[in-house]
Amino acid sequence: DVKVTQSSRYLVKRTGEKVFLECVQDMDHENMFWYRQDPGLGLRLIYFSYDVKMKEKGDIPEGYSVSREKKERFSLILESASTNQTSMYLCASRTGALTYYGYTFGSGTRLTVV
Amino acid sequence: SQQGEEDPQALSIQEGENATMNCSYKTSINNLQWYRQNSGRGLVHLILIRSNEREKHSGRLRVTLDTSKKSSSLLITASRAADTASYFCATDAPQGAQKLVFGQGTRLTINP
Repeated sequence: DVKVTQSSRYLVKRTGEKVFLECVQDMDHENMFWYRQDPGLGLRLIYFSYDVKMKEKGDIPEGYSVSREKKERFSLILESASTNQTSMYLCASRTGALTYYGYTFGSGTRLTVV
Repeated sequence: SQQGEEDPQALSIQEGENATMNCSYKTSINNLQWYRQNSGRGLVHLILIRSNEREKHSGRLRVTLDTSKKSSSLLITASRAADTASYFCATDAPQGAQKLVFGQGTRLTINP
């Protein structure tokens, strides 16, 4: 089975800190995604990547950046954490065309910014 | 913007009963997918139905798709306590972009 691993289940960071959320997948998937999930707002796409060194903005990219230096790793960066970035962050990966395959999600990172 | 919307937002039934959740969407799609999320965890892919399919089965799951009404339903038969979770529908974004847009989910509770 494909495995998507997010480095931390829970994180507590201070306002203004630079925060790195790491995501690694082990099945050579081309496509990787970062979502955040908030009560009442559902899942919202932050950034995604179709290939190494390639990135595309999602619906809410402000305050975030990403890095994909290797195919298996997709990092989400909060340049200067703010309290409104307290959320559950979900990484996902997918191979092939969307028409035929679903996403594999990691277990999520619950980030609290204080 | 939201593409899929689930109904109801919450559903509570007795173990052994069937659970039906509905999803409506706004624009044409290539496929529609259903996911399950246990509390505080990531989402798990359940089933994918393509726009040219009308019904699909997987174990105790049955998914229907009506593209004329822009709606889908997920039926879980003979529910179990372990089915307690949130269920999300997801569609490919408008203009065929290779990404999914998720609804806000249905919270399903199975009472023993």
